[in-house]
Amino acid sequence: EAGVAQSPRYKIIEKRQSVAFWCNPISGHATLYWYQQILGQGPKLLIQFQNNGVVDDSQLPKDRFSAERLKGVDSTLKIQPAKLEDSAVYLCASSLGMSYEQFFGPGTRLTVL
Amino acid sequence: GQQVMQIPQYQHVQEGEDFTTYCNSSTTLSNIQWYKQRPGGHPVFLIQLVKSGEVKKQKRLTFQFGEAKKNSSLHITATQTTDVGTYFCAGTTGGYNKLIFGAGTRLAVHP
Repeated sequence: EAGVAQSPRYKIIEKRQSVAFWCNPISGHATLYWYQQILGQGPKLLIQFQNNGVVDDSQLPKDRFSAERLKGVDSTLKIQPAKLEDSAVYLCASSLGMSYEQFFGPGTRLTVL
Repeated sequence: GQQVMQIPQYQHVQEGEDFTTYCNSSTTLSNIQWYKQRPGGHPVFLIQLVKSGEVKKQKRLTFQFGEAKKNSSLHITATQTTDVGTYFCAGTTGGYNKLIFGAGTRLAVHP
């Protein structure tokens, strides 16, 4: 069974630029999550989708971050404009449903200069 | 808001020694999950505890959920170099499995 796919794996941008990350969850997984993991910290949930609807986005900085999950499968997370403090690993995870274990992708390491 | 705290932040052990990490929540949890993240890797699910006082074992790993469902622990017996990594607990309080992660305990095992 293929795991959660993410791209790109690494991204370096200047502050105020925009960036987008892509996630392809495990086939059949209804729930998709985007996390931000700053070095030395645990993952912090940014947004959670159930199929193509948003379940929780309370910690998403909506003035600069946006995410969508069209057709309830793939998802993209965008940052525009990026700030220095956005430097982190962005992890995508998926699960069969909302009470199941989460499977994480390899993450995208973002560096904002 | 809800917080999940983990101690210790770091633990260095000699191979063969035991290791324990503790997790405490500011609120009662619906369930708690444990994940392991190897250096440079991504979190990998280990186990989920749901019932008050629950104890589960996976080979050398023992997981406990407190009676009040506000704390949990992970104990590794006779550590091996393959146990190296950061162990995270993550608790949920809502019905939609929103995980609140602790900061993790980084385990180093010296051969």
